[in-house]
Amino acid sequence: AQTVTQSQPEMSVQEAETVTLSCTYDTSENNYYLFWYKQPPSRQMILVIRQEAYKQQNATENRFSVNFQKAAKSFSLKISDSQLGDTAMYFCAFMKHGAGGKLIFGQGTELSVKP
Amino acid sequence: NAGVTQTPKFQVLKTGQSMTLQCAQDMNHEYMSWYRQDPGMGLRLIHYSVGAGITDQGEVPNGYNVSRSTTEDFPLRLLSAAPSQTSVYFCASSTNGQGGYYGYTFGSGTRLTVV
Repeated sequence: AQTVTQSQPEMSVQEAETVTLSCTYDTSENNYYLFWYKQPPSRQMILVIRQEAYKQQNATENRFSVNFQKAAKSFSLKISDSQLGDTAMYFCAFMKHGAGGKLIFGQGTELSVKP
Repeated sequence: NAGVTQTPKFQVLKTGQSMTLQCAQDMNHEYMSWYRQDPGMGLRLIHYSVGAGITDQGEVPNGYNVSRSTTEDFPLRLLSAAPSQTSVYFCASSTNGQGGYYGYTFGSGTRLTVV
């Protein structure tokens, strides 16, 4: 069975600085997807970024980028120029290809951006 | 475009009562899922569906029933509520696009308290 581990329950960063959230996963699959979701205090789950395992290039979305290390089964999220609105819980998630939308989530990292 | 609509947003039940959490999506997504979110445990999959008439159990299915009679609707039934079912429940839907799988669209969640 696949598992996703986020080893940092809480993190904080100063506004305008850069922060990296860690995620590791365990799988024997070769073809899969990885995601980062953001959950602000409003409780809404928002997709931040997506990575396909067969693509070597790391995904980027504006200030958000990932460091995908397939051999190490690591998928970290880097937030550049942190903003107060980035304060949220962040979840890493895994889905094997063809799994019919069956995502497996990590425990989450609570990020606080301080002014 | 409403996306994924969950009702109710809040609910208090007494132990032993039953109820149905409603979920509807208007995006013609084939995949739908129910998750529960508990502090420190991330999101755990309760049940999921890959299409109308097809459902399967996730990680924590005990005490819950689902059905998928239409593509749009995926209700979650609590058969006999227990305090351990106090949680935030999320419904989500997704599809495979031309470029692959792009992750879930989530509803806004239901906070359920069982007393």
